[in-house]
Amino acid sequence: ETGVTQSPTHLIKTRGQQVTLRCSSQSGHNTVSWYQQALGQGPQFIFQYYREEENGRGNFPPRFSGLQFPNYSSELNVNALELDDSALYLCASSLAFGGWEETQYFGPGTRLLVL
Amino acid sequence: AQTVTQSQPEMSVQEAETVTLSCTYDTSESDYYLFWYKQPPSRQMILVIRQEAYKQQNATENRFSVNFQKAAKSFSLKISDSQLGDAAMYFCAYRSALLKTSYDKVIFGPGTSLSVIP
Repeated sequence: ETGVTQSPTHLIKTRGQQVTLRCSSQSGHNTVSWYQQALGQGPQFIFQYYREEENGRGNFPPRFSGLQFPNYSSELNVNALELDDSALYLCASSLAFGGWEETQYFGPGTRLLVL
Repeated sequence: AQTVTQSQPEMSVQEAETVTLSCTYDTSESDYYLFWYKQPPSRQMILVIRQEAYKQQNATENRFSVNFQKAAKSFSLKISDSQLGDAAMYFCAYRSALLKTSYDKVIFGPGTSLSVIP
């Protein structure tokens, strides 16, 4: 069984730039969720994708967007980067069926630094 | 809105001893999951234990067990025979069992930093 993987592990960008983070879900999972974890805090939900469609969104502006592909992998895109976007970005995958979602398993995260 | 509170920012335990981490939550839902996740300095978020709200029996996983008090909305984690590798940040998390919700999918508490003293 392949776990959740994320790339890249670290990234440095400058304010105003755009960034794309990638996530491969665990084998057999069809749902991907993205979280932002600021230093010293718990993760904050950004959004979730189920069957290639956004299935819920947290309190994040539209410059945070995503995609889910037919193989259930996913991308998180952030436009017009701000200093406060510096954080660990976590991806989690899960299996959803019949309107229910099972446990989410997390990837190792991507550390983004915005200068 | 759902909330999760962890009132202990830091805890320490002697190696081989037992420690209990506290968590309280607030929800109006009846179907949900509660989790404890461990995040070592390496940052990988690792699932420690999960509890379904409809189950009255407390979940256990080897040295880890929970005390789930649904009416009191309390969900504490007990770590027995603590080991040096248990040192990490521990997050309590709530999640609706429903796939479709209009709010945050998973609500994390602020975390408890656990130190294990040799």
